[in-house]
Amino acid sequence: DAMVIQNPRYQVTQFGKPVTLSCSQTLNHNVMYWYQQKSSQAPKLLFHYYDKDFNNEADTPDNFQSRRPNTSFCFLDIRSPGLGDAAMYLCATSQQRSGAMGEQFFGPGTRLTVL
Amino acid sequence: GIQVEQSPPDLILQEGANSTLRCNFSDSVNNLQWFHQNPWGQLINLFYIPSGTKQNGRLSATTVATERYSLLYISSSQTTDSGVYFCAVDYHRGSTLGRLYFGRGTQLTVWP
Repeated sequence: DAMVIQNPRYQVTQFGKPVTLSCSQTLNHNVMYWYQQKSSQAPKLLFHYYDKDFNNEADTPDNFQSRRPNTSFCFLDIRSPGLGDAAMYLCATSQQRSGAMGEQFFGPGTRLTVL
Repeated sequence: GIQVEQSPPDLILQEGANSTLRCNFSDSVNNLQWFHQNPWGQLINLFYIPSGTKQNGRLSATTVATERYSLLYISSSQTTDSGVYFCAVDYHRGSTLGRLYFGRGTQLTVWP
């Protein structure tokens, strides 16, 4: 089945220690998204890639970076995690065609704990 | 930006009951999705529905784009329906790239 895969499902890191979360997809979609979701809140878009074009949300902290080396993979790097970065991180994909965004599909998420 | 409002914020039902969840949005949108977030945090796609009505088993959804709202109907609720239901709209003004704007969700609890 075509899907969005996230690894690891649970990640524990120490305050200030860099961490990388990964996302892969078999849907061959041209857009990949990273969201942050804190308890009892809606997912919040951090940034997205349209092919190799990076689009950052205005309020995404500089502490968050992303890489998309190819169509299938996208990484979220948190350079110096703080306690406030503990959250669920969701990856999603969609196919953009002629200015229209197709249905968005989400991975299972990575739950990040910062000690 | 666009405002997406969901109601009610919380809903508690007994198994077998029916319910209606509402999503209002403040501007014209290109598309609308309904998701169910299960207790493990995964967002499950329920409907991709810019307008009209769709049905999938016990669930159905109706979007009236001209009046800027969508409804999600759950019939004969089961305990496995518990979780958070999100409405999200595809809205882009001044940009060619679509993105989703989420409502705050409806927390549904179904008791046996």
